[in-house]
Amino acid sequence: DIQMTQSPSTLSASAGDRVTITCRASQSISSWLAWYQQKPGKAPKLLIYKASSLESGVPSRFSGSGSGTEFTLTISSLQPDDFATYYCQQYNSYSQAFGQGTKVEIK
Amino acid sequence: QVQLVQSGAEVKKPGASVKVSCKASGYTFTGYYMHWVRQAPGQGLEWMGWINPNSGDTNYAQKFQGRVTMTRDTSISTAYMELSRLRSDDTAVYYCARGAVVEPAAIEPLDYWGQGTLVTVSS
Repeated sequence: DIQMTQSPSTLSASAGDRVTITCRASQSISSWLAWYQQKPGKAPKLLIYKASSLESGVPSRFSGSGSGTEFTLTISSLQPDDFATYYCQQYNSYSQAFGQGTKVEIK
Repeated sequence: QVQLVQSGAEVKKPGASVKVSCKASGYTFTGYYMHWVRQAPGQGLEWMGWINPNSGDTNYAQKFQGRVTMTRDTSISTAYMELSRLRSDDTAVYYCARGAVVEPAAIEPLDYWGQGTLVTVSS
């Protein structure tokens, strides 16, 4: 099975900061990588799919890049509503998998 | 609009089974895979498997093979996830989520999620 590893596990930042989260796959997944945002007590929300495509309605300050085994999620200017936990997910193989999550907290 | 509405919270004893339902509306139920994902308290997301609502075909994560059964009732646009031989570490919120279109074959992420069902396993 393909394993997904995110870093860092926790990230402390201030509003207005540029934030980058990394996700690595244990083998190539081409561009079949999604990013989700989850707030406490809520279901995850799809932000990015196919590594760099922005889901409809998601603010343009979110962007994704990468292919193969290395991927990044960038928030260009962190807003108060962005403090949450972010997960990457590979959806290429018959068996899907999530990263362990990155919590973005207020510095 | 697409909606996935799940059944309510459950409390079960170790060794018992639980069956969670997920009623879909706002789209053609048989046209999209349905996935199940769980999240233990304070932990990350864990993919459990999917069902093709059109054919009934299933694919389970190896970890849950032999304990999980995913079914559907197309007449009421509802998917079910049953987990047996429950243990305390099965305590989690269980989510259903819509996946890729069934035909033509596609690779797509999970775009709509249910509200989650808390399953507590305790003696």
